[in-house]
Amino acid sequence: NAGVTQTPKFQVLKTGQSMTLQCAQDMNHNSMYWYRQDPGMGLRLIYYSASEGTTDKGEVPNGYNVSRLNKREFSLRLESAAPSQTSVYFCASIEGGGAQPQHFGDGTRLSIL
Amino acid sequence: RKEVEQDPGPFNVPEGATVAFNCTYSNSASQSFFWYRQDCRKEPKLLMSVYSSGNEDGRFTAQLNRASQYISLLIRDSKLSDSATYLCGTGGGNKLTFGTGTQLKVEL
Repeated sequence: NAGVTQTPKFQVLKTGQSMTLQCAQDMNHNSMYWYRQDPGMGLRLIYYSASEGTTDKGEVPNGYNVSRLNKREFSLRLESAAPSQTSVYFCASIEGGGAQPQHFGDGTRLSIL
Repeated sequence: RKEVEQDPGPFNVPEGATVAFNCTYSNSASQSFFWYRQDCRKEPKLLMSVYSSGNEDGRFTAQLNRASQYISLLIRDSKLSDSATYLCGTGGGNKLTFGTGTQLKVEL
């Protein structure tokens, strides 16, 4: 039972490089989320997708783009990485709306030099 | 003011102690409330949902006070394995908002 799977687990980039973080869930959940977690800042929502075909900005969307490829997959893209984007990124999903608890992937640790 | 606030701690307690954390929220329209546990460098994992009437799961008790807009988590008979960061989350619509977490260290 995989749940929410994120790839890669670790990545080091140089400033200005681009990359896509992948997230897939096998629970047939409708809603998916991308967070970043920094020391002392807690989990901050970057983007979310309430259902297949829709995406919305969260608290800290600048510098990121997302794609809800299908019901299972929700990717996060950094077009031109900056050192301020060094963080741990978590993907999460829920079956329905915010009244239900979220299931998290095990994170992607991203360092930008 | 942050939408969800927690005391970051750390709370250092001896094994067997009872410890309580609070989490305040500013959005009076929040409809759902959760406590998550996060171990160092791991993903948050759901500890328990918080219901209006309060709820208990073994050594853990969660309560909601809508009038004062806070939720609480009580841990009885603390174990070394309870050492972690505890995040509260509040939600409405399609989103959850999380606090920064409270760190608990249980010591011998």
